[in-house]
Amino acid sequence: GENVEQHPSTLSVQEGDSAVIKCTYSDSASNYFPWYKQELGKRPQLIIDIRSNVGEKKDQRIAVTLNKTAKHFSLHITETQPEDSAVYFCAARAGAGGTSYGKLTFGQGTILTVHP
Amino acid sequence: DGGITQSPKYLFRKEGQNVTLSCEQNLNHDAMYWYRQDPGQGLRLIYYSQIVNDFQKGDIAEGYSVSREKKESFPLTVTSAQKNPTAFYLCASSVRDRVTEAFFGQGTRLTVV
Repeated sequence: GENVEQHPSTLSVQEGDSAVIKCTYSDSASNYFPWYKQELGKRPQLIIDIRSNVGEKKDQRIAVTLNKTAKHFSLHITETQPEDSAVYFCAARAGAGGTSYGKLTFGQGTILTVHP
Repeated sequence: DGGITQSPKYLFRKEGQNVTLSCEQNLNHDAMYWYRQDPGQGLRLIYYSQIVNDFQKGDIAEGYSVSREKKESFPLTVTSAQKNPTAFYLCASSVRDRVTEAFFGQGTRLTVV
């Protein structure tokens, strides 16, 4: 089955710096890669996603890159702000063609702390 | 008001008792998921369902059971066979055939004493 590894587990940056979180996946049938942000005591919420037919996607200060050959994808946050502090999760969803169609597997999470 | 609702928010049970967590959605989503969240371990998939009357085991299904009799509902039963049931449980739903985001409920924190 799918295995998603996420690094680092904790990340501490100064306000204004960039933050990068990396994930690898194992199932070549995975075709959708969302990133979720979870603030303390709240539900995870989607911040950006990328499909397997795209190499990069950007939304204001947030960008995601995907390397299908290497089976890894990354989240980039530029000009970080204290309100970016949260836990970030990557995920991979299995597409058609495998035995795990629709399975949505998450990474272990990264605790991002942005210091003012 | 569309969304996905989990109830209750907090649940306490005595050791050895089965307990059922509710998850209801009115988003017309075919796919539904149950995750367990423990500190430092991310979101681990318990069960998922792509369509009514069908579901698959996730990565940590032992000690849990589910049913999917209605499209809107995907209840999770934590049985007495689950050795460490105290955790935060999250339900999610998504469109099945389109590759799109999953929406999460607000979670249920289960404490077994």
